[in-house]
Amino acid sequence: DAGVIQSPRHEVTEMGQEVTLRCKPISGHDYLFWYRQTMMRGLELLIYFNNNVPIDDSGMPEDRFSAKMPNASFSTLKIQPSEPRDSAVYFCASSFSGRYQPQHFGDGTRLSIL
Amino acid sequence: GDSVTQMEGPVTLSEEAFLTINCTYTATGYPSLFWYVQYPGEGLQLLLKATKADDKGSNKGFEATYRKETTSFHLEKGSVQVSDSAVYFCALYINDYKLSFGAGTTVTVRA
Repeated sequence: DAGVIQSPRHEVTEMGQEVTLRCKPISGHDYLFWYRQTMMRGLELLIYFNNNVPIDDSGMPEDRFSAKMPNASFSTLKIQPSEPRDSAVYFCASSFSGRYQPQHFGDGTRLSIL
Repeated sequence: GDSVTQMEGPVTLSEEAFLTINCTYTATGYPSLFWYVQYPGEGLQLLLKATKADDKGSNKGFEATYRKETTSFHLEKGSVQVSDSAVYFCALYINDYKLSFGAGTTVTVRA
């Protein structure tokens, strides 16, 4: 079975550029989550969606960050303009509905902003 | 708010050694508890879970028991292998869908 698919796996870009990260959740999963992982702050939940609708975006750090889910099989996380402090590994995860369902993670996008 | 605290690493062991990673939680109720594992270059994978007091989760030789009296969910494995080298995260749900992770413990197993 295909797991959560993220692209690109690595992204290096200069500060000020727009960055778009992509995620394809597991088919049939109703929930989609975006996380950021850094050495300093660990794993942080940025935003999550239920049935393509954003439910909680309280973890999004600034207005420079935005996320969309136009359909059940695709989501994007966009940073515009990017800054060096956005360098991190970004993970997408998905899960079924129901309380306390396990979340299935993609392999992440390692983002470096120069 | 609800949270987990896990022992800091890194932890370095020899093959076949016994591994324990401590995790304690703070919660107003009785949360479901999880251990996730992250292998190098990969995302997190669910390792095991327990949904109520005295439950024991187990998988791949790892075990953890939900102890309400000590608010703990320590991860153990009796004989580790090099392939167990990874980062291990304790976690709980702070609402129906929002996971809170511990800081992670890096485990390195030497041959």
